[in-house]
Amino acid sequence: DQQVKQNSPSLSVQEGRISILNCDYTNSMFDYFLWYKKYPAEGPTFLISISSIKDKNEDGRFTVFLNKSAKHLSLHIVPSQPGDSAVYFCAASARTSGTYKYIFGTGTRLKVLA
Amino acid sequence: DAGITQSPRHKVTETGTPVTLRCHQTENHRYMYWYRQDPGHGLRLIHYSYGVKDTDKGEVSDGYSVSRSKTEDFLLTLESATSSQTSVYFCAISEAPGQGSYGYTFGSGTRLTVV
Repeated sequence: DQQVKQNSPSLSVQEGRISILNCDYTNSMFDYFLWYKKYPAEGPTFLISISSIKDKNEDGRFTVFLNKSAKHLSLHIVPSQPGDSAVYFCAASARTSGTYKYIFGTGTRLKVLA
Repeated sequence: DAGITQSPRHKVTETGTPVTLRCHQTENHRYMYWYRQDPGHGLRLIHYSYGVKDTDKGEVSDGYSVSRSKTEDFLLTLESATSSQTSVYFCAISEAPGQGSYGYTFGSGTRLTVV
């Protein structure tokens, strides 16, 4: 049973436009969410996070939105750049459980076209 | 990446042979994790450790064992490799729970092929 879902396996966007990556979760106990970026032949690297007490977190071109009632989060990249082409994973954790294990989604491959 | 090293980076092995992957960290982090990445499945947790000699199973632990005899090393063993274990394996480390907002730091991965 996939607790964290990324329903779009791939996304193509023109350079300079907005990229929107989506993530849905089923476990209402999740209270901390991360986005990771992964280039080929490298490990995932941290991008941005959000706590369940917030509904938005911004870091430069990257903004994460959290809709707790819909159990949905999204990552906005504005403006998109060719270097943003990578696989993006969302991850969720129930920190109150004490185990601090992150459950990852299946990933979305973003291609930014020059 | 600085602070976490996986070895080997690539390995080809035969079905039925034992295989051990190593994760080494220099950050003195308490938590260490093994994930596998497969198309259509994303990253799935195999085992994790919350201290020396303290380990627990993740969501896909069957066929795998782990050991952590010292803080810096976390070993993943496939006792008898099968073709379904062909995957890219990532090790990750983290500080104590609740500290910082960066989650894990990942290694560069080990690509394992079982033929």
